[in-house]
Amino acid sequence: HLLESGGGLVQPGGSLRLSCAASGFTFSNYAMTWLRQAPGKGLEWVSAISAGGGDSFYAGSVKGRFTISRDNSKNTLYVQMNSLRAEDTAVYYCAKNCGDGPGNYCPDYWGQGTLVTVSS
Amino acid sequence: DIVMTQSPGALSVSPGERATLSCRASQSVSSDLAWYQQRPGQAPRLLIYGVSTRATGIPARFSGSGSGTEFTLTISSLQSEDFAVYYCHQYYDWPLTFGQGTKVE
Repeated sequence: HLLESGGGLVQPGGSLRLSCAASGFTFSNYAMTWLRQAPGKGLEWVSAISAGGGDSFYAGSVKGRFTISRDNSKNTLYVQMNSLRAEDTAVYYCAKNCGDGPGNYCPDYWGQGTLVTVSS
Repeated sequence: DIVMTQSPGALSVSPGERATLSCRASQSVSSDLAWYQQRPGQAPRLLIYGVSTRATGIPARFSGSGSGTEFTLTISSLQSEDFAVYYCHQYYDWPLTFGQGTKVE
C-alpha cells in the first residue's frame, strides 16, 4: 500500500514536499519512483531512487529543482519540489519498483496520487 | 532521451474482439519494456514487464511480445473492463520514458 500526501495549491516559484508512506512490503529492498500526470495528459516519469538511497535519477524537466529522498526507517519516500512552475501542475504518483538495480526500475505498484496545482 | 511512440492513438473495438497495440522505441531498450493500463479516475496498473511477463493477477488474455525497438500488446478477447488507456514504458535508460498512450474504446 502506498499513500501520497502533501499536495495542494502553491504559487509559481514556491515549494512543496510530497510524502509517500509505504506498507505491505519490505520498503528498504526496493527502488522507488515518482511519476506525474498533468490534467488530461499522459504519464511522465519524474524521478527514481535506489533501495538504499545512494543513487537518484531525474527527468530533465525537473532536474535541479526536485530532490528525491527516502527514509527506510520510516518506510517513507519524499520529493522536495522547488521553483515550481505552472507546467508542474499534475497528479503525482509514487510507485514501488520491480526490484533494485539496472533492469528493475519498472513501477509495479502505484499509489492513488496527490494533486499539485501551481497557480497564482 | 529514448522516445516511445505508440500506435494507434485510439482503437475502436467491440467486446470479444482482439486488440493489438504497438509501441516503437527510438533506440533499443533491450527487454526493459512494460505496459500499463489506466482506467478513468484510477492509478495506472502494471500489466506486462520484461516485454512479455504478466504481472501478478493479470489475466492470460493480455500478452506482450517484441524485442529491441518494436513491441506489441495484444488483448485476445476484450472484456468490458479492458476499455481504458494503455501506455508502454521503457526502463532501460535514463531518463525513463512513456509512450503517449493508446485509448481502447
